[in-house]
Formats: sequence, structure tokens, C-alpha cells
Amino acid sequence: AQSVAQPEDQVNVAEGNPLTVKCTYSVSGNPYLFWYVQYPNRGLQFLLKYITGDNLVKGSYGFEAEFNKSQTSFHLKKPSALVSDSALYFCAVRGNYGNNRLAFGKGNQVVVIP
Amino acid sequence: DAGVIQSPRHEVTEMGQEVTLRCKPISGHDYLFWYRQTMMRGLELLIYFNNNVPIDDSGMPEDRFSAKMPNASFSTLKIQPSEPRDSAVYFCASSLGGGYSYNEQFFGPGTRLTVL
Repeated sequence: AQSVAQPEDQVNVAEGNPLTVKCTYSVSGNPYLFWYVQYPNRGLQFLLKYITGDNLVKGSYGFEAEFNKSQTSFHLKKPSALVSDSALYFCAVRGNYGNNRLAFGKGNQVVVIP
Repeated sequence: DAGVIQSPRHEVTEMGQEVTLRCKPISGHDYLFWYRQTMMRGLELLIYFNNNVPIDDSGMPEDRFSAKMPNASFSTLKIQPSEPRDSAVYFCASSLGGGYSYNEQFFGPGTRLTVL
């Protein structure tokens, strides 16, 4: 069964500083990896995904993520955080075969301090 | 496209009452997912459909929960009877793709259910 670990409950970062949200995964076969963001009282919004190819994936709002197969990680990054990036971030994974079920992490609250 | 539409946005009911949550997926999407989100348990997949057929309902908590998808543009999640521990935000999501699809899911705004 696939699973995701997001080890930190909350990530605090000063506005303008680099932002990193960590994610490690476990899955059978090759992974399909996703990042979603959730703003208060809203549904999850898709940010980016890794399927195959270049290990560095670029997504919406200036976010990017790096796939590292040896470390089974898919950390989300942004070079310069904005106050508006404060939200809940979810990492998700599924294997490249089997059913279409995504495994989500517990989420990380990101707080960008002005 | 209007995105995934859910109704109602908020529902407050009393224990023992029947609750029906509704979802309209994005037109053309062939997968539909129902999730539940709570502080304690995070985001849980309850059930998902492919081409209106339930594929995996292993996340449905118990027999009080049932879900249907009578056509490609409508799905319901029903709780009967409801209990206070069912209080949560329920999300519907849809996606496009075949059996090995890697397409992202699009989420609705959610229904916040409170059972008193």
C-alpha cells in the first residue's frame, strides 16, 4: 500500500525567505507524486506533479518540487515566500499500476511571517 | 467550466437524522472521489467511482454511509442515521483518465457537516 509522510506539523518562514515543505513516500512500482494546497474554507488545489522525466518539476505560483528516487522524497520548494503562501500543503502519491487511489499525507501548515 | 460543485456548503443536523451530500463533477471527467477531512484523521478517501461504477469503497466507515452515482454528472453521499462523530468536511473530487491515469484530481469547495 502507498503512503506519504510529512514530518513537520508547521513550517514557519519569513517573507522573502526560501520555503521548503518536506515529503517522503512509500509505494510499489514507480511513483506518481502530487502537491496540493488548501486555503482556509476551500477545497484542495493542484500545484504540481511528477510522473516521469526531469526530477525538478515546476508548478503554479512559483512552486517547484524535486523528485529524489534514492531518498524516496518529493520536497516542495519556493525560492521566495509570500504572505499569501500561508496555507495547508498536502503531498500525495500513487503507484503506476493498480487502482486510482491517492494516498495523502497529513498536511503541513505553512505560516509566512511578514 | 464551473469546477466541481458541491451542495450544501454547510449542513447542521441532529443525531439520528439522514444527511445527503451532493456533487456535480467537472463535465467529461470519468472518475469521482468522496473524501472526508477532520483534524484528527486528516484527509480520508471514502469511495471512488469510474464511469459511474463504484470501484473502491473500502474507506466507507460503516453501513450508515452509502454513495451513489446515477449518471455522469451527479453523485450523492448519504449518512443514515447521522452521529456526532460524522462531523467533518466532506469533499468531492473528479479527474479524467483511464485505469492507470496520473491526472490530477480537482476538488470541490466541500460540505461542512455538523451533527449535534
